[in-house]
Amino acid sequence: NAGVMQNPRHLVRRRGQEARLRCSPMKGHSHVYWYRQLPEEGLKFMVYLQKENIIDESGMPKERFSAEFPKEGPSILRIQQVVRGDSAAYFCASSPPDRWETGELFFGEGSRLTVL
Amino acid sequence: ILNVEQSPQSLHVQEGDSTNFTCSFPSSNFYALHWYRWETAKSPEALFVMTLNGDEKKKGRISATLNTKEGYSYLYIKGSQPEDSATYLCAPPGTSYDKVIFGPGTSLSVIP
Repeated sequence: NAGVMQNPRHLVRRRGQEARLRCSPMKGHSHVYWYRQLPEEGLKFMVYLQKENIIDESGMPKERFSAEFPKEGPSILRIQQVVRGDSAAYFCASSPPDRWETGELFFGEGSRLTVL
Repeated sequence: ILNVEQSPQSLHVQEGDSTNFTCSFPSSNFYALHWYRWETAKSPEALFVMTLNGDEKKKGRISATLNTKEGYSYLYIKGSQPEDSATYLCAPPGTSYDKVIFGPGTSLSVIP
């Protein structure tokens, strides 16, 4: 059973370009979470999605950031017009619908975005 | 936004020492508490999920206790080993379908 897959693992963008990060949850998982780790900081919640539905996006910057989790295909975190401050590691985690029975989030290995 | 605190922020211990650290969270509307271990250059992995006041969980040399009335959980490591070096995160989701907010973590370094 493949784990949570994130790609690309490393992404370099110039200021003003767009970054798209993809996350394929574990098989059978319908919930996806995105977190950001800025240098020397912990994991900051960004957004929580179910398929075709954003449950909570209270951690997402109001501008330039968006996330989706379509019925088919991976979840995508999109950052438009990137700035140097967007440089960070972005982690995706997934959980099954019965999260509180199994009790844990399963994390991908992260996508490291560098903005030049 | 849940206010989750962890202390200490970092800890350096000698191999063989036992250690413990704390996760503090609002005690109202408690649902569950997660502990995760996050090794450098890897992804976080779940250690424990705790739901009941007085819960004690154990995995090898690592154990955790939970006090929901006063809003804290302790993580203990007995006889620390270099492979225990990691950041330990706690997360107390407010409801079964709530987002999972992590505390700032305790960074543990075990010196051989």
